[in-house]
Amino acid sequence: DAGVIQSPRHEVTEMGQEVTLRCKPISGHNSLFWYRQTMMRGLELLIYFNNNVPIDDSGMPEDRFSAKMPNASFSTLKIQPSEPRDSAVYFCASSQGQGNQPQHFGDGTRLSIL
Amino acid sequence: QQQVKQSPQSLIVQKGGISIINCAYENTAFDYFPWYQQFPGKGPALLIAIRPDVSEKKEGRFTISFNKSAKQFSLHIMDSQPGDSATYFCAASITGRRALTFGSGTRLQVQP
Repeated sequence: DAGVIQSPRHEVTEMGQEVTLRCKPISGHNSLFWYRQTMMRGLELLIYFNNNVPIDDSGMPEDRFSAKMPNASFSTLKIQPSEPRDSAVYFCASSQGQGNQPQHFGDGTRLSIL
Repeated sequence: QQQVKQSPQSLIVQKGGISIINCAYENTAFDYFPWYQQFPGKGPALLIAIRPDVSEKKEGRFTISFNKSAKQFSLHIMDSQPGDSATYFCAASITGRRALTFGSGTRLQVQP
């Protein structure tokens, strides 16, 4: 079974550039989560969607960050303009059904902003 | 505000020993407590989870102990193996809200 697929796996770009991270959730899963992992702050939830609708975006750091889920099989996290402090590993996760179902994580995108 | 505090930050255990990782939470509305295991270069993967209506849950060598009155829970890894070397995260969530609040992680190294 294909798990959560994230692309790219690594991204290095210069400050000020637009960055787009992509995620394909597991087929049939109706919830999608974006997390950010850093040494200083650990794993933080940025935003999550249920049935393609953003439910909680309170973790999005600032207006430079935006996330979309145009359909059940695709989501993007965009940073514009990017800053060095955005350097982190970004994870996408998905889950199915109601209640406390396991969240299945992708292998992440390691983002470096120079 | 850190809602889930995890300790220790790192842990070294000999092969065959018991690894113990502790977490404490503040929000009494939390009612689901999973543990995730993360290997380098990979995303976290669910290991085991517990709800507060039980005090202990065991799956193979992994056991969660839960103390509702103290708002604490812990992961015990029995007969620790080098393959268990990874970073472990406790987490908590509220049923219906789905979002997980993670602890800061424990890097476990099991020496052969």
